[in-house]
Amino acid sequence: DAKTTQPPSMDCAEGRAANLPCNHSTISGNEYVYWYRQIHSQGPQYIIHGLKNNETNEMASLIITEDRKSSTLILPHATLRDTAVYYCIVRVMNRDDKIIFGKGTRLHILP
Amino acid sequence: GAVVSQHPSWVICKSGTSVKIECRSLDFQATTMFWYRQFPKQSLMLMATSNEGSKATYEQGVEKDKFLINHASLTLSTLTVTSAHPEDSSFYICSARDIGMSGYTFGSGTRLTVV
Repeated sequence: DAKTTQPPSMDCAEGRAANLPCNHSTISGNEYVYWYRQIHSQGPQYIIHGLKNNETNEMASLIITEDRKSSTLILPHATLRDTAVYYCIVRVMNRDDKIIFGKGTRLHILP
Repeated sequence: GAVVSQHPSWVICKSGTSVKIECRSLDFQATTMFWYRQFPKQSLMLMATSNEGSKATYEQGVEKDKFLINHASLTLSTLTVTSAHPEDSSFYICSARDIGMSGYTFGSGTRLTVV
């Protein structure tokens, strides 16, 4: 079973920041938080990952709470191309462990 | 960055025939690859773990004799859907991890339609 819970869907106005929450209350000390997204009829795309510090890359920012039981993915300026299903996953880094996907959050960007 | 190529991107086959889907890591070697299946409006469901040079590990409920997996080299894994039926129609996706990368790279998927 997936170890994360996410809201099933969210709306965000184009140009605004999209904040996608994820709950992972049973996360282990050596597990990282990973985010992927899947645009319709494509394979999932890696977005970002982190352990306990906040992370930022060219796609998004990841904010992890101090107790690491939840996190938020932030798309700073959402565009219509960001419409996708976003998956939050916890796993140990650098191991060939299988990834179990939860149901994710379907993000709709509104024009 | 790491690229995983999946072929074909779509295929239509007749009921009772077999279909082979290829998953290649283009610029890295992968000892382990994963195969997923996804039905419309549902999440990805892991089918099996493909291990180079050894037998695949199947998830509970996945028929290993129906979904044959071969991982003969460090850059190629194949999934063969044998005696396909309409209920096997789905979106099949593979993934692999480059040792130098921390995340998994996914193929673009294969849409199988069995008629």
